[in-house]
Amino acid sequence: DAKTTQPNSMESNEEEPVHLPCNHSTISGTDYIHWYRQLPSQGPEYVIHGLTSNVNNRMASLAIAEDRKSSTLILHRATLRDAAVYYCILLPYNQGGKLIFGQGTELSVKP
Amino acid sequence: ETGVTQSPTHLIKTRGQQVTLRCSSQSGHNTVSWYQQALGQGPQFIFQYYREEENGRGNFPPRFSGLQFPNYSSELNVNALELDDSALYLCASSPRLAGGPMGELFFGEGSRLTVL
Repeated sequence: DAKTTQPNSMESNEEEPVHLPCNHSTISGTDYIHWYRQLPSQGPEYVIHGLTSNVNNRMASLAIAEDRKSSTLILHRATLRDAAVYYCILLPYNQGGKLIFGQGTELSVKP
Repeated sequence: ETGVTQSPTHLIKTRGQQVTLRCSSQSGHNTVSWYQQALGQGPQFIFQYYREEENGRGNFPPRFSGLQFPNYSSELNVNALELDDSALYLCASSPRLAGGPMGELFFGEGSRLTVL
């Protein structure tokens, strides 16, 4: 299973942008990059996913490096509710729901 | 549209007992996955069910077993409970098996199992 590397923790101020990095140097051509987050005492929540091109949705943006060996999840304006553990996950094209979670990045947001 | 619901939310068992956890998937979702999350760790994939058959399994022993029913709800059964089985058990549903790229998984809030 391809691995991802994320910082253990990051801090942000409320209403400022947050850039959460993820390295995945062993990514293969058919691996999709997924991001989930887990708020305290809740199940994980889907954030965004992509393959090669940058992606935007109502929650966040995903910037994928041209060589696909790294990606960045961008929260445009952090709120207190965004404090969570963020997981960057590589999901092969044909692996269905078999998400391989790492340790993730614990994001704290200061008022 | 109702989300993924799990029951019970909390339970306590003793070593050697058996436990059954239940999951109702989101309406229209035919694929269910189960995950185990130990305290302070990321979730670990247990197995996945698609149309009532196991379709993929993680590194868990056979005493972890499951079922999926015709209405796509699911059960996770764990026999001969061990202390290390204490964890949050998460169920996730999705609308289809990824014969193509997988999109969003919808997780429930989990069942917290404590083994004494």
